[in-house]
Amino acid sequence: DAGVIQSPRHEVTEMGQEVTLRCKLISGHNSLFWYRQTMMRGLELLIYFNNNVPIDDSGMPEDRFSAKMPNASFSTLKIQPSEPRDSAVYFCASRGGRNQPQHFGDGTRLSIL
Amino acid sequence: QQQVKQSPQSLIVQKGGISIINCAYENTAFDYFPWYQQFPGKGPALLIAIRPDVSEKKEGRFTISFNKSAKQFSLHIMDSQPGDSATYFCAASSHSGSARQLTFGSGTQLTVLP
Repeated sequence: DAGVIQSPRHEVTEMGQEVTLRCKLISGHNSLFWYRQTMMRGLELLIYFNNNVPIDDSGMPEDRFSAKMPNASFSTLKIQPSEPRDSAVYFCASRGGRNQPQHFGDGTRLSIL
Repeated sequence: QQQVKQSPQSLIVQKGGISIINCAYENTAFDYFPWYQQFPGKGPALLIAIRPDVSEKKEGRFTISFNKSAKQFSLHIMDSQPGDSATYFCAASSHSGSARQLTFGSGTQLTVLP
């Protein structure tokens, strides 16, 4: 079975540019989680969706961050405009039910210069 | 109250030794305690999980010990191997709310020397 697929794997861009990270859920999964991982703050939950509906976006750091689920199998996380402090590894994870484990993608390593 | 405190930050063990990582929590509503293993360049992957109705769960060389009264749980890796070298995260969640959010510990970088 294909796992959670994230793209791109690496992104290097200049400050002020728009960045779009993409995530394809495991087929049949109905919950989607976006995390950010840094050395200083560890794994932070940014936002999660249940059945395509955003449930809790309290972890989104600023209005520069936005996330969408245009359909049941795909999500995007957008940063506009990007700043150097946004540099991190961004993970998405999907889950098939409330009592099922989260399955993580391999992340997007984002560097903002 | 949502924090999960993990220690140590890093751990070096000889091949064949026992690796022990500890976590503590405050929120008594937590009822699911997974451990995730992360290799460089990869996402965290579920290793083993426990619910508070049991005090221990074992899967192969990996064991979770759970102490509900102390609000602590730990991961034991028996006969540690160089291939176990990775970062380990404990986590906790509660069944309240519309979805189970995981609260992660800060991670332990394990190095197993050959």
